[in-house]
Amino acid sequence: QLQLQESGPGLVKPSETLSLTCTVSGGSISSSSYYWGWIRQPPGKGLEWIGSIYYSGSTYYNPSLKSRVTISVDTSKNQFSLKLSSVTAADTAVYYCARHHWAPGGYYYMDVWGKGTTVTVSS
Amino acid sequence: EIVLTQSPGTLSLSPGERATLSCRASQSVSSSYLAWYQQKPGQAPRLLIYGASSRATGIPDRFSGSGSGTDFTLTISRLEPEDFAVYYCQQYGSSPVTFGGGTKVEIK
Repeated sequence: QLQLQESGPGLVKPSETLSLTCTVSGGSISSSSYYWGWIRQPPGKGLEWIGSIYYSGSTYYNPSLKSRVTISVDTSKNQFSLKLSSVTAADTAVYYCARHHWAPGGYYYMDVWGKGTTVTVSS
Repeated sequence: EIVLTQSPGTLSLSPGERATLSCRASQSVSSSYLAWYQQKPGQAPRLLIYGASSRATGIPDRFSGSGSGTDFTLTISRLEPEDFAVYYCQQYGSSPVTFGGGTKVEIK
């Protein structure tokens, strides 16, 4: 059974870089047809897609965050990671990693999710 | 980007009743690439429907999706106690993928 688990600091200072890692177990991150990515949810609000990566390293980012986001993959560890730079209080959210199921001619829906990790931006 | 508007914001119903949730897109969603998720407090979203009408693995058949173009519907035929939650739609026909603001289904 495929499982995803987020890890990383729960508290980040303003202007610093948020760094999270997602560890995939029960399956290979190198599977075809799947991207791997991140979604966030500010407290009491809806979902925002951040970006995704294929095992080969190909990435897609949300234009609203693109200048600050880097997603990378480590196939040897079955992990992928998120870095979000120059954070502010507006980046406080629950961050989810998820498997992205690619649709032919389109993009992806998220069929397996991690439990999420809360990141607070505060000094 | 495609903006998804969900209505109503909150739906107050009793167990056993039928729930009808709407998701309207600001432009046509190509190939009916629309998904629905359920989220309970403190939990991650769970995929219910993809391709507008295909149920995900393990999803009960009381959940059904329909629609095309700009108008989509999630129907729960008979609400069970565990169905009271927030529901989100998501389009994946265009980049960036986007989510609706959610509909909360609460116990009346």
